[in-house]
Amino acid sequence: EDKVVQSPLSLVVHEGDTVTLNCSYEVTNFRSLLWYKQEKKAPTFLFMLTSSGIEKKSGRLSSILDKKELFSILNITATQTGDSAIYLCAVEAVRITGGGNKLTFGTGTQLKVEL
Amino acid sequence: GAVVSQHPSWVICKSGTSVKIECRSLDFQATTMFWYRQFPKQSLMLMATSNEGSKATYEQGVEKDKFLINHASLTLSTLTVTSAHPEDSSFYICSARDLWGFDDNGYTFGSGTRLTVV
Repeated sequence: EDKVVQSPLSLVVHEGDTVTLNCSYEVTNFRSLLWYKQEKKAPTFLFMLTSSGIEKKSGRLSSILDKKELFSILNITATQTGDSAIYLCAVEAVRITGGGNKLTFGTGTQLKVEL
Repeated sequence: GAVVSQHPSWVICKSGTSVKIECRSLDFQATTMFWYRQFPKQSLMLMATSNEGSKATYEQGVEKDKFLINHASLTLSTLTVTSAHPEDSSFYICSARDLWGFDDNGYTFGSGTRLTVV
């Protein structure tokens, strides 16, 4: 069974801090790893990673994948209160039976940024 | 970019009744759509994969007769919660895959439906 574990489950930081969120996985037929930000409703896409060691960056957010050690990190620098959300890691894998791909989500990290 | 519309955004129903949730891809065709369930402070759990023109693929432990999925066209999938009970109360989210969405591999999410069964 595919498994995705995120840590920490929650954390509280002050504005301006840098945070690192972790995601480890065990999946069969790995295809990609995706990071999402979820505030009140639907998750919004942040990054998709397929290759090891290549950092993806978007403003204050960045992410990298290690396919040998089976983990990814999401970094947020100079955090702002608007970064408060649940950050979800999902791994896309090819189904063994039934065809197609599926996403398996981690438990998420609840981030709260205080003034 | 790709947009997925999900309706209703919230619904309250009586125990024993059925509720239908719609998921539409607005500007792309989706041969595959996914239905997730999310409990408070928990992650998204894949319930089933909806395949246009064929039967849905259900995850282990999900009752097919309880959660009916229909994907009759390339832009619409529906999830019907039959004979709903309070334990079915949850947040249901759909996702549609745009095969041409190379940047994010095409997984776009609807805004979710909060179902409360009383």
